[in-house]
Amino acid sequence: DGGITQSPKYLFRKEGQNVTLSCEQNLNHDAMYWYRQDPGQGLRLIYYSQIVNDFQKGDIAEGYSVSREKKESFPLTVTSAQKNPTAFYLCASSTTPITDTQYFGPGTRLTVL
Amino acid sequence: AQKITQTQPGMFVQEKEAVTLDCTYDTSDQSYGLFWYKQPSSGEMIFLIYQGSYDEQNATEGRYSLNFQKARKSANLVISASQLGDSAMYFCAMREDSKGNTPLVFGKGTRLSVIA
Repeated sequence: DGGITQSPKYLFRKEGQNVTLSCEQNLNHDAMYWYRQDPGQGLRLIYYSQIVNDFQKGDIAEGYSVSREKKESFPLTVTSAQKNPTAFYLCASSTTPITDTQYFGPGTRLTVL
Repeated sequence: AQKITQTQPGMFVQEKEAVTLDCTYDTSDQSYGLFWYKQPSSGEMIFLIYQGSYDEQNATEGRYSLNFQKARKSANLVISASQLGDSAMYFCAMREDSKGNTPLVFGKGTRLSVIA
């Protein structure tokens, strides 16, 4: 089945450790996105990529890094520089130009202890 | 200023009744798109409906319809014949075409609770 997968569903890390969240899609979409969701805050854009080997910062990129080496994959690394990393992280993809509907993965809930 | 405003943090509706979730937007673009997503407690975001700024008719998808009032800059979601499974967070989002390939901007959401 075509779709977007994020793994794992729940992730626990110690403070000061970097952690990488996985996002894979088999929809043949060019564009991919990472959002962060905190309670009562809606979705905030971290990074997005319109094409392989290219990506742009979103509204809250500080403390995060991404790579886009393959069309299907857009991993997000939460670094130790991110002051408050505990949140729900959602990955999405769409065709380009970015005028088409974004489809979302099931999300990863990251808890930093 | 917020691009997308959802003024109802929470709403209650009786099963089988209709409910309207409000969304107002702010843009100077002539060409833009408006989206509604549903987020159940499981966390996934489910696309519901889309309205383009040049679409003359209101969008409909099954029990969902979008009440698009361009002059008022509002794009309210109407859910008819509510079901218990409609209980979820609902997010309104906008894309502004003049800014090129920029992603969606989301509102803060409305939590809908359907009562049996």
